[in-house]
Amino acid sequence: GAVVSQHPSRVICKSGTSVKIECRSLDFQATTMFWYRQFPKQSLMLMATSNEGSKATYEQGVEKDKFLINHASLTLSTLTVTSAHPEDSSFYICSARDRGVFTEAFFGQGTRLTVV
Amino acid sequence: AQSVTQPDIHITVSEGASLELRCNYSYGATPYLFWYVQSPGQGLQLLLKYFSGDTLVQGIKGFEAEFKRSQSSFNLRKPSVHWSDAAEYFCAVGARQAGTALIFGKGTTLSVSS
Repeated sequence: GAVVSQHPSRVICKSGTSVKIECRSLDFQATTMFWYRQFPKQSLMLMATSNEGSKATYEQGVEKDKFLINHASLTLSTLTVTSAHPEDSSFYICSARDRGVFTEAFFGQGTRLTVV
Repeated sequence: AQSVTQPDIHITVSEGASLELRCNYSYGATPYLFWYVQSPGQGLQLLLKYFSGDTLVQGIKGFEAEFKRSQSSFNLRKPSVHWSDAAEYFCAVGARQAGTALIFGKGTTLSVSS
């Protein structure tokens, strides 16, 4: 099946620094990718929808200046957490669906971000 | 409003016993339904999906789910649970178009006792 690769799997950063998370679709082209955030013992909350070649669409309550999303190609989307603070510590997961209809969503392995 | 409800937060099942995880949805268009499983610290793995046709769908690891339009439900079942099935299970609903995100339920934690 299709594979979505997310990197890094774990990252620890100091408060005030920025962290970039990459999401790649390895064997299909994803015009749209999705970024989710998951708090411990909770469900996945959609943060934003990333469209290739255009600006991302953010969900209500998500700070677009803090969570910068770039989708420069059909196989790569990046999420940059800017000026990270401890409350940004979370599990971030990207997802992509192959183009067309009747397609499932494939998920990356997730990134555990810890801000100290 | 579009939503997915998983009424059971935590279920404990004895190894070898049968399992049913409940999922109800509210969706304006024709729903496309999924069940995913997540182990701690890992991403999501697709167990099964329903797009159309036979309302009883078979998935991996011996799981199956039945779509009941009249009840807006898509319950996940397994006849005999193994200890390795202990994980978090998420039901999700989406539109047919690839450009739309899935909406997830809050998840059900499955514990398996010996």
